[in-house]
Amino acid sequence: QKEVEQDPGPLSVPEGAIVSLNCTYSNSAFQYFMWYRQYSRKGPELLMYTYSSGNKEDGRFTAQVDKSSKYISLFIRDSQPSDSATYLCATQNQEAGTALIFGKGTTLSVSS
Amino acid sequence: DTGVSQNPRHKITKRGQNVTFRCDPISEHNRLYWYRQTLGQGPEFLTYFQNEAQLEKSRLLSDRFSAERPKGSFSTLEIQRTEQGDSAMYLCASSLPAGVKDTQYFGPGTRLTVL
Repeated sequence: QKEVEQDPGPLSVPEGAIVSLNCTYSNSAFQYFMWYRQYSRKGPELLMYTYSSGNKEDGRFTAQVDKSSKYISLFIRDSQPSDSATYLCATQNQEAGTALIFGKGTTLSVSS
Repeated sequence: DTGVSQNPRHKITKRGQNVTFRCDPISEHNRLYWYRQTLGQGPEFLTYFQNEAQLEKSRLLSDRFSAERPKGSFSTLEIQRTEQGDSAMYLCASSLPAGVKDTQYFGPGTRLTVL
């Protein structure tokens, strides 16, 4: 079992839809959770960073962490064609080291 | 632009050749990371520097790979005797720890193709 599981998709939605992206993780020692967005042939760009269970909102993006079920989510409201990218969830156990552990990424396409 | 920069952006080489990549982190970031990303996968950790000290190395970093950060600023990643399996995007990230938050910012990557 991989430490972070993420459905690679692809996921296709119409403009304006609400998008839900999800990951599960296996190690309860993971403390920090991140979502990165990666456009084709570019480096990952940090979108959201969360530490505790609960929701964190930033504009059209909401990150949700449920540590009891080891489940993390990213919601995108009013999706735009410019949101078309690969979304990577990542986690970190700073007591074990600094490495980020990534999921495979979910490819999202938003059509106008 | 004050983000992480990487050079070259693309490198095509023949199997058996040596290649070297450079990463310039965000100014004053004392932590620097190298990751490798293959098609359809998330980035995988290779190694980590705090200032000039290499503090962590993944088992993915075989003896053909070496990384340096001689003055605690830029870093180089060298691959000797390249193999086709080395074809990937090599990503560099940097961070400046602020309390418990170690936010890693990535560069655009160097795409390596080994023929």
